[in-house]
Amino acid sequence: DGGITQSPKYLFRKEGQNVTLSCEQNLNHDAMYWYRQDPGQGLRLIYYSQIVNDFQKGDIAEGYSVSREKKESFPLTVTSAQKNPTAFYLCASAGRGGWNEQFFGPGTRLTVL
Amino acid sequence: AQKVTQAQTEISVVEKEDVTLDCVYETRDTTYYLFWYKQPPSGELVFLIRRNSFDEQNEISGRYSWNFQKSTSSFNFTITASQVVDSAVYFCALSGRGGSARQLTFGSGTQLTVLP
Repeated sequence: DGGITQSPKYLFRKEGQNVTLSCEQNLNHDAMYWYRQDPGQGLRLIYYSQIVNDFQKGDIAEGYSVSREKKESFPLTVTSAQKNPTAFYLCASAGRGGWNEQFFGPGTRLTVL
Repeated sequence: AQKVTQAQTEISVVEKEDVTLDCVYETRDTTYYLFWYKQPPSGELVFLIRRNSFDEQNEISGRYSWNFQKSTSSFNFTITASQVVDSAVYFCALSGRGGSARQLTFGSGTQLTVLP
Protein backbone atom coordinates (compact mmCIF):
# COMPACT_ATOMS: atom_id res chain seq x y z
CA ASP A 1 0.00 0.00 0.00
CA GLY A 2 1.18 3.51 -0.76
CA GLY A 3 1.68 5.84 2.13
CA ILE A 4 3.96 7.62 4.54
CA THR A 5 5.67 5.93 7.43
CA GLN A 6 7.25 7.59 10.42
CA SER A 7 9.33 5.93 13.04
CA PRO A 8 9.46 5.60 15.91
CA LYS A 9 5.93 6.38 17.12
CA TYR A 10 7.20 7.40 20.56
CA LEU A 11 10.67 8.70 21.31
CA PHE A 12 12.29 9.70 24.56
CA ARG A 13 15.45 11.73 24.72
CA LYS A 14 17.65 13.13 27.40
CA GLU A 15 18.47 16.79 27.36
CA GLY A 16 21.54 17.60 25.31
CA GLN A 17 21.14 14.68 22.92
CA ASN A 18 20.47 14.88 19.22
CA VAL A 19 17.76 12.60 17.86
CA THR A 20 16.69 11.73 14.31
CA LEU A 21 13.09 11.13 13.26
CA SER A 22 12.49 8.99 10.20
CA CYS A 23 10.04 9.73 7.38
CA GLU A 24 9.64 7.53 4.32
CA GLN A 25 7.07 7.74 1.51
CA ASN A 26 6.34 5.43 -1.41
CA LEU A 27 3.87 7.74 -3.15
CA ASN A 28 6.48 9.00 -5.61
CA HIS A 29 5.88 12.51 -4.33
CA ASP A 30 8.37 15.27 -5.06
CA ALA A 31 7.69 17.46 -2.04
CA MET A 32 8.09 16.52 1.61
CA TYR A 33 7.47 18.49 4.79
CA TRP A 34 8.07 18.42 8.53
CA TYR A 35 5.63 20.00 10.96
CA ARG A 36 5.58 20.43 14.68
CA GLN A 37 2.35 20.33 16.67
CA ASP A 38 2.07 21.46 20.29
CA PRO A 39 -0.98 20.72 22.47
CA GLY A 40 -4.00 22.77 21.46
CA GLN A 41 -2.20 24.36 18.56
CA GLY A 42 -2.08 24.03 14.84
CA LEU A 43 0.81 22.75 12.78
CA ARG A 44 3.92 24.83 12.28
CA LEU A 45 6.27 24.20 9.37
CA ILE A 46 9.85 23.28 10.27
CA TYR A 47 11.44 22.41 6.92
CA TYR A 48 10.30 21.41 3.47
CA SER A 49 11.88 19.97 0.37
CA GLN A 50 10.59 20.23 -3.18
CA ILE A 51 13.25 18.07 -4.78
CA VAL A 52 16.12 15.77 -3.88
CA ASN A 53 19.20 17.51 -2.45
CA ASP A 54 17.28 20.72 -1.86
CA PHE A 55 15.33 21.96 1.15
CA GLN A 56 14.14 25.24 2.65
CA LYS A 57 13.55 26.49 6.17
CA GLY A 58 10.02 26.87 7.37
CA ASP A 59 8.74 29.11 10.14
CA ILE A 60 10.50 27.40 13.05
CA ALA A 61 13.69 25.83 11.66
CA GLU A 62 16.02 26.84 14.51
CA GLY A 63 17.37 23.82 16.34
CA TYR A 64 16.43 21.38 13.56
CA SER A 65 18.22 19.99 10.54
CA VAL A 66 17.14 17.84 7.58
CA SER A 67 18.54 16.04 4.56
CA ARG A 68 17.00 14.88 1.30
CA GLU A 69 19.39 12.40 -0.29
CA LYS A 70 16.62 10.22 -1.69
CA LYS A 71 13.20 11.07 -3.05
CA GLU A 72 11.57 8.65 -0.63
CA SER A 73 13.24 9.81 2.55
CA PHE A 74 13.29 13.08 4.53
CA PRO A 75 14.77 12.56 8.02
CA LEU A 76 14.56 15.28 10.65
CA THR A 77 17.22 15.76 13.31
CA VAL A 78 16.26 17.53 16.50
CA THR A 79 19.46 18.97 17.85
CA SER A 80 20.42 19.97 21.37
CA ALA A 81 20.04 23.57 20.26
CA GLN A 82 16.26 23.16 20.14
CA LYS A 83 15.21 24.63 23.46
CA ASN A 84 11.80 23.02 23.78
CA PRO A 85 11.71 19.89 21.61
CA THR A 86 8.90 18.01 23.35
CA ALA A 87 6.11 17.92 20.76
CA PHE A 88 4.29 15.83 18.17
CA TYR A 89 6.11 15.76 14.82
CA LEU A 90 4.30 15.13 11.56
CA CYS A 91 5.79 14.41 8.17
CA ALA A 92 3.87 15.02 4.96
CA SER A 93 4.35 14.71 1.21
CA ALA A 94 2.69 16.15 -1.86
CA GLY A 95 2.74 15.50 -5.57
CA ARG A 96 4.14 17.64 -8.37
CA GLY A 97 2.62 21.09 -8.68
CA GLY A 98 2.12 23.80 -6.12
CA TRP A 99 -1.46 23.18 -5.08
CA ASN A 100 -1.74 19.53 -4.31
CA GLU A 101 -3.03 18.37 -0.97
CA GLN A 102 -0.46 17.09 1.47
CA PHE A 103 -0.68 13.57 2.82
CA PHE A 104 0.48 12.95 6.36
CA GLY A 105 2.23 10.19 8.23
CA PRO A 106 1.12 8.89 11.63
CA GLY A 107 3.50 11.16 13.54
CA THR A 108 6.23 10.78 16.15
CA ARG A 109 5.72 11.95 19.71
CA LEU A 110 9.02 13.19 21.12
CA THR A 111 9.48 13.65 24.86
CA VAL A 112 12.58 15.15 26.38
CA LEU A 113 13.27 13.84 29.87
CA ALA B 1 1.23 37.36 5.43
CA GLN B 2 -1.31 34.60 5.46
CA LYS B 3 -3.49 33.72 8.41
CA VAL B 4 -6.19 31.16 9.19
CA THR B 5 -8.50 31.64 12.16
CA GLN B 6 -10.63 28.93 13.70
CA ALA B 7 -12.31 30.78 16.52
CA GLN B 8 -14.08 27.72 17.93
CA THR B 9 -11.59 25.93 20.12
CA GLU B 10 -13.95 23.19 21.28
CA ILE B 11 -17.46 22.14 20.30
CA SER B 12 -19.63 19.44 21.86
CA VAL B 13 -22.79 18.11 20.26
CA VAL B 14 -25.08 15.18 20.80
CA GLU B 15 -25.15 12.49 18.16
CA LYS B 16 -27.37 13.25 15.14
CA GLU B 17 -27.10 17.00 15.63
CA ASP B 18 -25.72 19.12 12.80
CA VAL B 19 -22.56 21.09 13.51
CA THR B 20 -20.69 23.80 11.63
CA LEU B 21 -17.01 24.49 12.03
CA ASP B 22 -15.94 28.00 11.11
CA CYS B 23 -12.82 29.02 9.21
CA VAL B 24 -11.81 32.56 8.31
CA TYR B 25 -8.70 33.28 6.31
CA GLU B 26 -6.54 36.23 5.32
CA THR B 27 -4.40 36.42 2.21
CA ARG B 28 -3.27 38.95 -0.37
CA ASP B 29 -3.07 36.32 -3.07
CA THR B 30 -5.68 36.20 -5.79
CA THR B 31 -4.97 32.53 -6.39
CA TYR B 32 -5.02 30.24 -3.40
CA TYR B 33 -6.34 26.93 -2.14
CA LEU B 34 -8.20 26.05 1.01
CA PHE B 35 -8.15 22.69 2.73
CA TRP B 36 -9.82 20.86 5.58
CA TYR B 37 -8.12 18.05 7.49
CA LYS B 38 -9.37 15.75 10.23
CA GLN B 39 -7.09 14.60 13.06
CA PRO B 40 -8.56 11.65 14.99
CA PRO B 41 -7.11 10.65 18.36
CA SER B 42 -4.52 8.47 16.58
CA GLY B 43 -2.83 11.69 15.45
CA GLU B 44 -2.57 11.27 11.70
CA LEU B 45 -4.10 14.08 9.64
CA VAL B 46 -6.66 12.93 7.09
CA PHE B 47 -7.30 15.07 4.02
CA LEU B 48 -10.98 15.96 3.54
CA ILE B 49 -11.25 18.58 0.81
CA ARG B 50 -9.36 21.08 -1.35
CA ARG B 51 -11.05 24.13 -2.88
CA ASN B 52 -9.48 26.74 -5.17
CA SER B 53 -10.16 30.45 -4.93
CA PHE B 54 -12.01 30.58 -8.24
CA ASP B 55 -14.60 27.98 -7.36
CA GLU B 56 -17.20 29.23 -4.93
CA GLN B 57 -19.65 26.43 -5.44
CA ASN B 58 -20.63 24.65 -2.28
CA GLU B 59 -19.64 21.03 -2.10
CA ILE B 60 -21.35 18.08 -0.48
CA SER B 61 -19.85 14.68 0.21
CA GLY B 62 -22.15 12.41 2.12
CA ARG B 63 -22.76 13.99 5.53
CA TYR B 64 -20.06 16.61 4.92
CA SER B 65 -20.60 19.93 3.19
CA TRP B 66 -18.46 23.02 2.69
CA ASN B 67 -19.51 26.62 2.21
CA PHE B 68 -16.89 28.85 0.57
CA GLN B 69 -17.63 32.59 0.56
CA LYS B 70 -14.93 34.85 -0.83
CA SER B 71 -16.84 37.97 0.19
CA THR B 72 -16.39 37.09 3.85
CA SER B 73 -13.12 35.11 3.44
CA SER B 74 -14.73 32.08 5.02
CA PHE B 75 -14.65 28.37 4.30
CA ASN B 76 -17.00 26.71 6.75
CA PHE B 77 -17.48 22.98 7.21
CA THR B 78 -20.78 21.38 8.21
CA ILE B 79 -21.33 17.84 9.42
CA THR B 80 -24.93 16.71 9.14
CA ALA B 81 -26.34 14.11 11.53
CA SER B 82 -23.08 13.89 13.46
CA GLN B 83 -21.79 10.55 14.70
CA VAL B 84 -19.46 9.59 17.53
CA VAL B 85 -16.80 8.67 14.95
CA ASP B 86 -16.74 12.31 13.85
CA SER B 87 -15.05 13.22 17.14
CA ALA B 88 -11.67 14.65 16.20
CA VAL B 89 -9.73 17.86 15.78
CA TYR B 90 -10.49 19.58 12.49
CA PHE B 91 -8.01 21.91 10.82
CA CYS B 92 -8.57 24.46 8.11
CA ALA B 93 -5.51 25.36 6.01
CA LEU B 94 -4.55 27.83 3.30
CA SER B 95 -2.00 27.52 0.50
CA GLY B 96 -0.95 30.50 -1.54
CA ARG B 97 1.92 32.20 -3.25
CA GLY B 98 2.46 34.61 -0.38
CA GLY B 99 5.05 32.27 1.00
CA SER B 100 5.35 29.37 -1.36
CA ALA B 101 2.61 27.70 -3.27
CA ARG B 102 3.64 24.50 -1.58
CA GLN B 103 3.34 25.77 1.98
CA LEU B 104 0.24 25.36 4.08
CA THR B 105 -0.81 27.78 6.80
CA PHE B 106 -2.93 25.99 9.39
CA GLY B 107 -5.52 27.29 11.79
CA SER B 108 -5.28 26.26 15.42
CA GLY B 109 -7.97 23.61 15.01
CA THR B 110 -11.42 22.89 16.45
CA GLN B 111 -11.87 19.96 18.81
CA LEU B 112 -15.23 18.36 18.02
CA THR B 113 -16.73 15.96 20.52
CA VAL B 114 -19.85 14.05 19.54
CA LEU B 115 -21.60 12.55 22.53
CA PRO B 116 -23.71 9.40 22.22
